[in-house]
Amino acid sequence: AQSVAQPEDQVNVAEGNPLTVKCTYSVSGNPYLFWYVQYPNRGLQFLLKYITGDNLVKGSYGFEAEFNKSQTSFHLKKPSALVSDSALYFCAVRGFIGTASKLTFGTGTRLQVTL
Amino acid sequence: DTEVTQTPKHLVMGMTNKKSLKCEQHMGHRAMYWYKQKAKKPPELMFVYSYEKLSINESVPSRFSPECPNSSLLNLHLHALQPEDSALYLCASSQPTGGSGNTIYFGEGSWLTVV
Repeated sequence: AQSVAQPEDQVNVAEGNPLTVKCTYSVSGNPYLFWYVQYPNRGLQFLLKYITGDNLVKGSYGFEAEFNKSQTSFHLKKPSALVSDSALYFCAVRGFIGTASKLTFGTGTRLQVTL
Repeated sequence: DTEVTQTPKHLVMGMTNKKSLKCEQHMGHRAMYWYKQKAKKPPELMFVYSYEKLSINESVPSRFSPECPNSSLLNLHLHALQPEDSALYLCASSQPTGGSGNTIYFGEGSWLTVV
């Protein structure tokens, strides 16, 4: 079974500082990994994904993620946090069943950016 | 901005009512999904339709009945729900597994309260 783990329930960072939200994965075969963000009372917004290729993936709103095969990690990063980045972040892995696919999410990490 | 539209945004229903949640996408996607999300928890997959056929049913109780009338529409029919079914219901769409890196896009969700 495929899974992702987000070890931190909450990450606190000051505005202007770099941020990291951690994710590790357990997948048989090639991993297809995603990051989504959820603002309060909203749906999920896609940030970025890793399929193959460069280990550093760039996404929306200045976010990037580093795929590390040896550490089975896919951490989300941003060089300079904004208060508006405060939200719930989900790491997810995509699996396949026949012609259908499914996303399995981590437990989520709440990012709090303060002035 | 999401191109997956869900209606209604909020729904309050009694345990004996029959109601439906609706979802529409115009991205030409041939896979559509229903997820359920409880507060502060990750989304959980309920159903997947691939090419308008039900491909995945994650052992969802029969009081939830999905329907995919065409490739752009997805409904979730609700009947005899329980208060514990109160949650955010998220619709999503993507291309099917023909492209393994295809992104799954989510709507803003429908907030369901069962009284």
